[in-house]
Amino acid sequence: ETGVTQTPRHLVMGMTNKKSLKCEQHLGHNAMYWYKQSAKKPLELMFVYNFKEQTENNSVPSRFSPECPNSSHLFLHLHTLQPEDSALYLCASSKLAENTDTQYFGPGTRLTVL
Amino acid sequence: DQQVKQNSPSLSVQEGRISILNCDYTNSMFDYFLWYKKYPAEGPTFLISISSIKDKNEDGRFTVFLNKSAKHLSLHIVPSQPGDSAVYFCAASAPTIRGKLIFGQGTELSVKP
Repeated sequence: ETGVTQTPRHLVMGMTNKKSLKCEQHLGHNAMYWYKQSAKKPLELMFVYNFKEQTENNSVPSRFSPECPNSSHLFLHLHTLQPEDSALYLCASSKLAENTDTQYFGPGTRLTVL
Repeated sequence: DQQVKQNSPSLSVQEGRISILNCDYTNSMFDYFLWYKKYPAEGPTFLISISSIKDKNEDGRFTVFLNKSAKHLSLHIVPSQPGDSAVYFCAASAPTIRGKLIFGQGTELSVKP
């Protein structure tokens, strides 16, 4: 248990569906992240939120829409996804500091797009 | 262009022996390095980190070594246990991109009883 929870753990959706992934951190951190992990690839950073402000959008298609209502919650809204978007989506949080960058991950949501 | 590379996709070690996982990087601005361990169907778990002002950091059975001139770091696990079997990722961060970890592809470690 890392203090970062994600729901749902598994999601199957059609290309026309709209769904949302939820992440919550109980660590008192001030930054939250969405990552994508596809098979045989390194983790890819998608979005960064620092004190609820989005500070990074790593060229992510607009069919992925993040939302950070407060420093403890992060959502990823999904619509009109493609089969190649099937992957493990990981949320992480950290306390941003000058000399460290340790991020703590949730268990992930395994997404399958049909 | 991959800035952090783990060239061995897999490693097999006997229980009780040393496991050595390697990682190379290209960006000389990286000043903070981390190792994560990942079991199937779970998120990565933070293991150990090292700042570029050090060349070694130890935590129990885990030791990370940093060779800045070679842009190389390694994770030593001694003694290896079957429960250590997992995928290990190294990651790096730079002051100019704090909050943006760059990950390697991972090395799958198998510790055999």
